[in-house]
Amino acid sequence: QSALTQSASVSGSPGQSITISCTGTRSDVGGYRYVSWYQQHPGKAPKLLIYDVSSRPSGVSNRFSGSKSGNTASLTISGLQAEDEADYYCSSYTISSTEVFGTGTQVTVL
Amino acid sequence: QVQLVQSGAEVKKPGASVKVSCKASEYTFTGYYLHWVRQAPGQGLEWMGWINPNSGGTNYAQKFQGWVTMTRDTSISTAYMELNRLKSDDTAVYYCARENRQGPHSFDIWGLGTMVTVSS
Repeated sequence: QSALTQSASVSGSPGQSITISCTGTRSDVGGYRYVSWYQQHPGKAPKLLIYDVSSRPSGVSNRFSGSKSGNTASLTISGLQAEDEADYYCSSYTISSTEVFGTGTQVTVL
Repeated sequence: QVQLVQSGAEVKKPGASVKVSCKASEYTFTGYYLHWVRQAPGQGLEWMGWINPNSGGTNYAQKFQGWVTMTRDTSISTAYMELNRLKSDDTAVYYCARENRQGPHSFDIWGLGTMVTVSS
């Protein structure tokens, strides 16, 4: 199972909105609503931001939102803040009853 | 609070095995699948597999089949991940993560990670 494809890096200024994409196939992202997103700061464990494509766990800021179209899922961060600078990973359930992560996107706040 | 507490860092020689533990705290251990994810230095996340703490059933990523063993001890609410025949590129941080009951196939609680270094 190949990793889902994410852009290597995305940057934005404070207050702007940015979107991170996550591209898979019909066997994973395109076939299920089980897409999730994680934020990881250096040296820390990942943190769940979005599950089931667009649902937010309690306590996660509503500045984070998720969507999906076909084989591509997206995470949008609105009102970008300095603390949003981190690595972001998508994940999907697959047709093989396994999970697969994306390649990761480094977000830089200018 | 709800947490997963992992065992400490390990240094192993190539060809050896390593067993990492993950102790669940403040929730019903048998009620949630536990997954294992690893991250090599400077690299992305890699899913290894899951264990159902209730039944002991497992599902491993194809890459790790025959090479990894996931077990649990319900009496002490602890899961284990054992990796055999270690190579230098198994050097990584190994995380355990609880599957989110509200959103299957997502992971809501993570351990802090266990650094495993494989070096001669």
